[in-house]
Amino acid sequence: QSALTQPASVSGSPGQSITISCTGTSSDVGGYNYVSWYQQHPGKAPKLMIYDVSNRPSGVSNRFSGSKSGNTASLTISGLQAEDEADYHCSSYTSSSTVVFGGGTKLTVL
Amino acid sequence: EVQLLESGGGLVKPGGSLRLSCAASGFTFSGSAMSWVRQAPGKGLEWVSSISAAGVSTHYADSVKGRLTISRDNSKNTLYLQMNSLRAEDTAVYYCTKSPGMVVVVYFDYWGQGTLVTVSS
Repeated sequence: QSALTQPASVSGSPGQSITISCTGTSSDVGGYNYVSWYQQHPGKAPKLMIYDVSNRPSGVSNRFSGSKSGNTASLTISGLQAEDEADYHCSSYTSSSTVVFGGGTKLTVL
Repeated sequence: EVQLLESGGGLVKPGGSLRLSCAASGFTFSGSAMSWVRQAPGKGLEWVSSISAAGVSTHYADSVKGRLTISRDNSKNTLYLQMNSLRAEDTAVYYCTKSPGMVVVVYFDYWGQGTLVTVSS
């Protein structure tokens, strides 16, 4: 199972919006509405931010939103804040009953 | 409050074995599928293995199949990962994770702090 494709890095200024893409295949991202996104600060464990493509767990800011079109999912963060600077990882359920992650994207808040 | 506390990591020689444990609390352990996810130094996350709530169904990444074995003891609220024939490429922080479902794992809603496994001679 090949990893999902994410950009290595993205950046934005405080208050701006950014979008991180996550590209897979019809056997994972495109085949199921089971894409999730995780935020990871340096030296910390990942934290669930989005599940089932566009749902936010309780306590996650509504500045975070998710979507999907075909084989590509996206995470959008609006009103960027300094605390959003972190690594972001996408994942998807697959046709093999496994889970596959993307390579991760480093978000820099300028 | 959900808590997942991993233990058992350390330095092991190539070809060696190690058993990781994850003590769970704050939720109904026997009602949740559980998984191990790892992260090599400076790399992304890699799903390793999952087990259903009752322990009947297991799944493994191709990279660990036949060498790593996931199991659970619902009477002790503990998840395990038996690691045999370890290789340098198994060096990573291993995270214990919980999923909301009982059988199928589609995402991970809680994560432990991780335990570091280093495979080196």
